[in-house]
Amino acid sequence: DQQVKQNSPSLSVQEGRISILNCDYTNSMFDYFLWYKKYPAEGPTFLISISSIKDKNEDGRFTVFLNKSAKHLSLHIVPSQPGDSAVYFCAASLNDYKLSFGAGTTVTVRA
Amino acid sequence: DVKVTQSSRYLVKRTGEKVFLECVQDMDHENMFWYRQDPGLGLRLIYFSYDVKMKEKGDIPEGYSVSREKKERFSLILESASTNQTSMYLCASSFRRQDGNGYTFGSGTRLTVV
Repeated sequence: DQQVKQNSPSLSVQEGRISILNCDYTNSMFDYFLWYKKYPAEGPTFLISISSIKDKNEDGRFTVFLNKSAKHLSLHIVPSQPGDSAVYFCAASLNDYKLSFGAGTTVTVRA
Repeated sequence: DVKVTQSSRYLVKRTGEKVFLECVQDMDHENMFWYRQDPGLGLRLIYFSYDVKMKEKGDIPEGYSVSREKKERFSLILESASTNQTSMYLCASSFRRQDGNGYTFGSGTRLTVV
């Protein structure tokens, strides 16, 4: 039973515009949420995280928003760049060291 | 630069072979993990280890075993490779407690079983 869901398998956005990636979760006890970025034939790299006690975290062009009442988080990338074309995974932890991952969203940034 | 190193980037093995995937980390992390990534299924946890000689099953352990004899090394073993084990295998490591820093992943091993 998947506790972290990314319902959009793909997203296409024009360079310079905003990319918004969505993630839903079922377990209200998750205490950290993370986003990873993955290029083909490489391992995922950590992008940004947010604690469950916050509703927003920003790092440069990347901002993560957490809506606990809706059990929903989103990643905003502004402005989108060609190098942002990758697969993005949402993940969540439950007060321990294990992460549950979503299925991923493939982002394509068009020139 | 901290690293998780997987011994092979690409492997081709025959059905029924015993396959060893090796992973080494240099960050003194307590936890190590093996995932597989398949299209549309995301990352699924096979096994993890929170200490030397300790191991726990993940979500899809069938057909796999692991070994952790030293803190820095975590091996994944496919006892008798089958075609449905063709996948991208990812090793990761982390400190014991999740504090928002997540895992550090290796570059992955693309295994093809023919």
